[in-house]
Amino acid sequence: EPEVTQTPSHQVTQMGQEVILRCVPISNHLYFYWYRQILGQKVEFLVSFYNNEISEKSEIFDDQFSVERPDGSNFTLKIRSTKLEDSAMYFCASSVLRGGYTFGSGTRLTVV
Amino acid sequence: KQEVTQIPAALSVPEGENLVLNCSFTDSAIYNLQWFRQDPGKGLTSLLLIQSSQREQTSGRLNASLDKSSGRSTLYIAASQPGDSATYLCAVEGEKLVFGKGTKLTVNP
Repeated sequence: EPEVTQTPSHQVTQMGQEVILRCVPISNHLYFYWYRQILGQKVEFLVSFYNNEISEKSEIFDDQFSVERPDGSNFTLKIRSTKLEDSAMYFCASSVLRGGYTFGSGTRLTVV
Repeated sequence: KQEVTQIPAALSVPEGENLVLNCSFTDSAIYNLQWFRQDPGKGLTSLLLIQSSQREQTSGRLNASLDKSSGRSTLYIAASQPGDSATYLCAVEGEKLVFGKGTKLTVNP
């Protein structure tokens, strides 16, 4: 069964550093997403991406966040200057239109 | 703004019991509803997807129903097993996918 692949599985970074989280969506999916889950809280939407541009973003997705599809397979989330409160599990997902989401196994980001 | 609520927050049952998890949502203008399973510290595994035009979906011991007009869904697990222990998340897709906080299920041997 096709999978969404995320790397790394765990990243520890110092406050103020830049991090890039990587995702390989399912190859025939056209819609890509990033979600995050702070420990003990709901999974919350960050951003959706379609046709090489952001289609929607949440209020969490401020100027320190950016997304990119640098080639035909990868989808990345960059956090420019990490804060302690950015510590969370970050999930990438992909979908066809209204066809249900497939999530990756997540990247646990720890900011120290 | 869509809000998704799951009741109960936690449930502990003996092995073999049939159980029902509940999900409610405030805005009935949805395209579909998805149930996920999450093991501790792990990713989200899709269990069932119900399109808005459907009433239910079944996969093995799992059955999910959807009543869009009343904003409710249930996940029925038959003959529960210890391996079913996990957090079960309900999510509805409108303009984006919105999650509930989940029901933490423990099935005791």
